[in-house]
Amino acid sequence: DGGITQSPKYLFRKEGQNVTLSCEQNLNHDAMYWYRQDPGQGLRLIYYSQIVNDFQKGDIAEGYSVSREKKESFPLTVTSAQKNPTAFYLCASSIYTEAFFGQGTRLTVV
Amino acid sequence: GIQVEQSPPDLILQEGANSTLRCNFSDSVNNLQWFHQNPWGQLINLFYIPSGTKQNGRLSATTVATERYSLLYISSSQTTDSGVYFCAVGARGAQKLVFGQGTRLTINP
Repeated sequence: DGGITQSPKYLFRKEGQNVTLSCEQNLNHDAMYWYRQDPGQGLRLIYYSQIVNDFQKGDIAEGYSVSREKKESFPLTVTSAQKNPTAFYLCASSIYTEAFFGQGTRLTVV
Repeated sequence: GIQVEQSPPDLILQEGANSTLRCNFSDSVNNLQWFHQNPWGQLINLFYIPSGTKQNGRLSATTVATERYSLLYISSSQTTDSGVYFCAVGARGAQKLVFGQGTRLTINP
């Protein structure tokens, strides 16, 4: 089936550790995105990439890093510099302008 | 950047009622999407509607781009319609989507 796969679904991190969230798509979409959602809030853009080997910062990029080495993959690293990383993270991809989302990863700092 | 406002923030209805959700945006757009976030957090695509009117079963949407608003209509609501509805827009010349704060819809049996 075509779609966007995020893993893991739940992730627990100790303070001071870096963690990487996976996002893979088999829709042949050029653009991919990472959003963050806090409880009761809308989604805020962290990073996006329109083509392989290129990406741009979104509105809340501090403390995060990404790579885009393959068209299908856009992993997000939450670094120890991110002061409040506990949140729900959603990955998306788009063809032209319509975007489709994965099922999300819930990250909790313990 | 472009601003997106959704109203009302919360809406509580009885099963069978009709509802209208509104999305206002501050600039010209080349993309407007409505999503339903289910209880597990997944965003379900409802409509891709930068302009015009579309219908899908009990749901329909209208975007009046010249007046910078979009409406989502839900008729004969069911308890499974409960959840948060998001409007997201892409400004002209921009690839990224900007989200509103959402409308939380609760349908009581």
